[in-house]
Amino acid sequence: DGGITQSPKYLFRKEGQNVTLSCEQNLNHDAMYWYRQDPGQGLRLIYYSQIVNDFQKGDIAEGYSVSREKKESFPLTVTSAQKNPTAFYLCASSQEHSPLHFGNGTRLTVT
Amino acid sequence: AQSVTQLGSHVSVSEGALVLLRCNYSSSVPPYLFWYVQYPNQGLQLLLKYTTGATLVKGINGFEAEFKKSETSFHLTKPSAHMSDAAEYFCAAGSSGSARQLTFGSGTQLTVLP
Repeated sequence: DGGITQSPKYLFRKEGQNVTLSCEQNLNHDAMYWYRQDPGQGLRLIYYSQIVNDFQKGDIAEGYSVSREKKESFPLTVTSAQKNPTAFYLCASSQEHSPLHFGNGTRLTVT
Repeated sequence: AQSVTQLGSHVSVSEGALVLLRCNYSSSVPPYLFWYVQYPNQGLQLLLKYTTGATLVKGINGFEAEFKKSETSFHLTKPSAHMSDAAEYFCAAGSSGSARQLTFGSGTQLTVLP
C-alpha cells in the first residue's frame, strides 16, 4: 500500500539537542510538507518542498531545517533554536492540486 | 489570506443524533474547501472536499457538507452519529488548489455519547 511513514512515533529529547524526524513517502508525490500541531490549534506549516533539492519556508520556519535530497524523503530537524519544540509533527505529501495525504505523526517531547 | 473559523472547539452528541460541525471562511475569491478527520495520535484523513460544481458534497463515512457562498460557510453534517465518529475534525480552506496555500481551522473535538 502506498503511504507516508513517519518515524519514530514518539521521541524524547533533552533541551539543547537537535533532533531529526523522518518522513518517507512511496506515493510518488512531488510535493511534501511539514506541519506542527499544538492542542487547540490548527495545523501550522513549517516547511514545504515542491521538487527535489528545493524547499521553502512556511509560516513558522524559525528553529527548524529540512532537506530534500530524494523525492521520497523529507526529514525535519528541530534545532536547539526552536523555543517551544514540544508538539505533534505531521508530514504530508500531494500532487499538484490534489488534497494532502498525511502520515501518522511524530510526537516530540523536549524536557 | 484565508482565515478559517470553526465554531465550537468541543461538540457532544448522542449516538444516533444529528452531527453538525460549523466552519466559516473568509475569502474574496472562490475557495477550495476541505474537511479532515483525525483520530488520536494519527494523521489527518480527508473526509470530503469542495472545489467547483455541486455545492452539496458527499464524503466518506456518511458525512456531507454544503458550500454556501452567501454565508461563507462549509458546515459538516451527518444524519446519525456513530460511536466511531468520535474524533477531531478540521476544516481547511485555500484560494487555489495548492496545498501550500491551505489554512486550517483550530479543530472541533466530537464526542459521541452512548
